[in-house]
Amino acid sequence: QVQLVESGGGVVQPGRSLRLSCAASGFTFSSYGMHWVRQAPGKGLEWVALISYDGNDKYYADSVKGRFTISRDNSKNTLFLQMNSLRPDDTAVFYCAKKTAMAFDYWGQGTLVTVSS
Amino acid sequence: QSALTQPASVSGSPGQSITISCTRTSSDVGDYNYVSWYQQHPGKAPKLMISEVSNRPSGVSYRFSGSKSVNTASLTISGLQAEDEADYYCSSYRSSGTWVFGGGTKLTVL
Repeated sequence: QVQLVESGGGVVQPGRSLRLSCAASGFTFSSYGMHWVRQAPGKGLEWVALISYDGNDKYYADSVKGRFTISRDNSKNTLFLQMNSLRPDDTAVFYCAKKTAMAFDYWGQGTLVTVSS
Repeated sequence: QSALTQPASVSGSPGQSITISCTRTSSDVGDYNYVSWYQQHPGKAPKLMISEVSNRPSGVSYRFSGSKSVNTASLTISGLQAEDEADYYCSSYRSSGTWVFGGGTKLTVL
């Protein structure tokens, strides 16, 4: 069965960096695009970034463009999100999600990032 | 302001049917044939319920169905059950590889 497990969240000061990981199993990771989606406390879902199956194409929400970088290591079945210049409004649960055609068909349990001094 | 607008809340009694709307308010939300719907219970990850307007993934109850008119997609839940109480989000491919979610709708089963 498909399993996505995020890690790397925690408390970080404004302006600092954090790297999230998403370990994938139960499917051929190298054949699928992958998304990051976040959810601020008590708020709705916000799409963050998408990476193509081979890592060659990357897309970002305007709110994170230039600060966040999505990447993947297909040899290790792992997705990453490098987050730089973090701001308090980046505080959220970050989910990785598998891309299927035009939807997000499997989601991880999420990892909480708190940006606070 | 999201490019997809949903009602903040809807409610219904057990056994009834309810419909949640998702209205495209921005012209950069493509041809709107790629609307999907997600269910999220408190403290849990979202779950895909409907893809590409009306496709129900394996394992999702037949009570969930999707449809679309020109600028409004809809999720209908028939035979409402207590376990359906959750937040529901629509999503659409937007343009140039980007995606957008609606603001979410809280479903209360009375």
